[in-house]
Amino acid sequence: AQSVTQLGSHVSVSEGALVLLRCNYSSSVPPYLFWYVQYPNQGLQLLLKYTSAATLVKGINGFEAEFKKSETSFHLTKPSAHMSDAAEYFCAVSARWGGTASKLTFGTGTRLQVTL
Amino acid sequence: DTGVSQDPRHKITKRGQNVTFRCDPISEHNRLYWYRQTLGQGPEFLTYFQNEAQLEKSRLLSDRFSAERPKGSFSTLEIQRTEQGDSAMYLCASRGGRESTDTQYFGPGTRLTVL
Repeated sequence: AQSVTQLGSHVSVSEGALVLLRCNYSSSVPPYLFWYVQYPNQGLQLLLKYTSAATLVKGINGFEAEFKKSETSFHLTKPSAHMSDAAEYFCAVSARWGGTASKLTFGTGTRLQVTL
Repeated sequence: DTGVSQDPRHKITKRGQNVTFRCDPISEHNRLYWYRQTLGQGPEFLTYFQNEAQLEKSRLLSDRFSAERPKGSFSTLEIQRTEQGDSAMYLCASRGGRESTDTQYFGPGTRLTVL
């Protein structure tokens, strides 16, 4: 069984400030981990993913995340927030091994607000 | 590569009516997923197809729900006798055939409102 916990349903930062969105996972098998972004009334867009290569993963739009097995965490960061980053962010986990559906299990999401 | 498309984008129906949604995956993606997202929540897995075979169904998928992928290309999701609790965004995603191609690409979703 797999699960994801996103701490903080709402995060507000000033433009230019550091963005930190927290994600902790639980998985009985080695996981794949993903961050997706969702803009209003749209589908989900992949930001970045961890698939057992480098533990520090760089994604689109200046975002990155670090896989920490000891902490079961996969927090998302961006050094400097931009107004266009305001959106809903979802962390997701899936099983790594073949032979499964590799369905995604999502967290409840974190809404990022960026203020001037 | 035109991405995953879904039709319709919005559907308003009255309780008790049947509705059908369509998903066209990225061409040559043999794996297709349906998810449901209610307000303020993350998407929840409903069902999975590999080619035309439906290999996994969530217990969220009650007997009023049926999904098909008849030729291993597009898929349909039908909800019979809709209930107000079915109001949600229904998302479709597709994935490539190689195990190393692990990314699911999502469509824009179909927002269902049951009155």
